[in-house]
Amino acid sequence: NAGVTQTPKFRILKIGQSMTLQCAQDMNHNYMYWYRQDPGMGLKLIYYSVGAGITDKGEVPNGYNVSRSTTEDFPLRLELAAPSQTSVYFCASSYSYSGQTYEQYFGPGTRLTVT
Amino acid sequence: TQLLEQSPQFLSIQEGENLTVYCNSSSVFSSLQWYRQEPGEGPVLLVTVVTGGEVKKLKRLTFQFGDARKDSSLHITAAQPGDTGLYLCAGGPPAQKLVFGQGTRLTINP
Repeated sequence: NAGVTQTPKFRILKIGQSMTLQCAQDMNHNYMYWYRQDPGMGLKLIYYSVGAGITDKGEVPNGYNVSRSTTEDFPLRLELAAPSQTSVYFCASSYSYSGQTYEQYFGPGTRLTVT
Repeated sequence: TQLLEQSPQFLSIQEGENLTVYCNSSSVFSSLQWYRQEPGEGPVLLVTVVTGGEVKKLKRLTFQFGDARKDSSLHITAAQPGDTGLYLCAGGPPAQKLVFGQGTRLTINP
């Protein structure tokens, strides 16, 4: 199994450009998440999804959009990129059933620079 | 807003020494997780503690959840270079909005 995969690994954007960060998981997890990690900091939750068609905001959603049309895929869209969005982005997934929760599995990350 | 403060932020010690990393909050968490993250990779879960006062051991690593479920510690015995990495604590229901600490960057020198 590949686990959680993210593409691209690296990207440089100019201010005002848009892009989509791709995330896919093959573990049939119902929950998926997007985090950003700034230098020397922990992870901050951007958006999460509890299943196909259901998404909700995390701590820092401004400037981002998500969709979840399938269980496997959870793309993150950046519209009008700004330097403040320079960060490393991690996608994660987990399984939850009947109130029992399990660990989050993380992808390798996408390093994004906006100049 | 729930916050988790980790200390120290940076720690550099010699191989064979012992160390303790702390994760503190003014909020109560239903569970606390510890992750290790290596350069260029995503965090990997080490342990989850859910009961106040709980102690879990993972080889040379000992994790403790405070009685009031507001704090946790990670103790490493006889540290090895392979323990080098960023250690993150995270609190809350694992399947929902985890709150992460800022991390402790640990370097073990041979």
